[in-house]
Amino acid sequence: AQSVAQPEDQVNVAEGNPLTVKCTYSVSGNPYLFWYVQYPNRGLQFLLKYITGDNLVKGSYGFEAEFNKSQTSFHLKKPSALVSDSALYFCAVIRNSNYQLIWGAGTKLIIKP
Amino acid sequence: DAGVTQSPTHLIKTRGQQVTLRCSPKSGHDTVSWYQQALGQGPQFIFQYYEEEERQRGNFPDRFSGHQFPNYSSELNVNALLLGDSALYLCASSWGTGAGNTIYFGEGSWLTVV
Repeated sequence: AQSVAQPEDQVNVAEGNPLTVKCTYSVSGNPYLFWYVQYPNRGLQFLLKYITGDNLVKGSYGFEAEFNKSQTSFHLKKPSALVSDSALYFCAVIRNSNYQLIWGAGTKLIIKP
Repeated sequence: DAGVTQSPTHLIKTRGQQVTLRCSPKSGHDTVSWYQQALGQGPQFIFQYYEEEERQRGNFPDRFSGHQFPNYSSELNVNALLLGDSALYLCASSWGTGAGNTIYFGEGSWLTVV
């Protein structure tokens, strides 16, 4: 069965430090991977996706993610965190023959000034 | 360029009632999906509509039904509401049904069942 794991419920980072939000997946076939961000009481905003090609994907707001096929991971990163990055981050995967996005449980990112 | 718009933003219903939620996709998009997000959890896929037909369905009972209109807008209907149906209902749109297509979400409709 397809699944996505975000092993950390919460990540705390000081402003200006690099941040990493972890995501691992389990899916047969070729996965398409996505990161979305959700601010309080709001919908989900698209950050970036991996379809094929370069394993390092750059997205919105300075975020990037690295696809690692051998480790089945797709960790979200940012070199220098901002307080405004504080939000809930979701990783999602879809198999290339399936319509359904499978979501992780989310990771709450807290950036402290 | 309007994004995905949903209505109403908030509503309260009592158990056993029926509710209809509405969604207009992002301009240029023809595919609409609906998700349920319970508090503190990730979204759960309900179903997807393309060319006015339900193409895929998640693990939701028949009480959940939908419709897509010729202008690509969509409705989600939930009958015989249960307390457990209280959640944020998210509409998402994309161009086509390709798995790699980016899906854009609306702000959601908060449903409270009392």
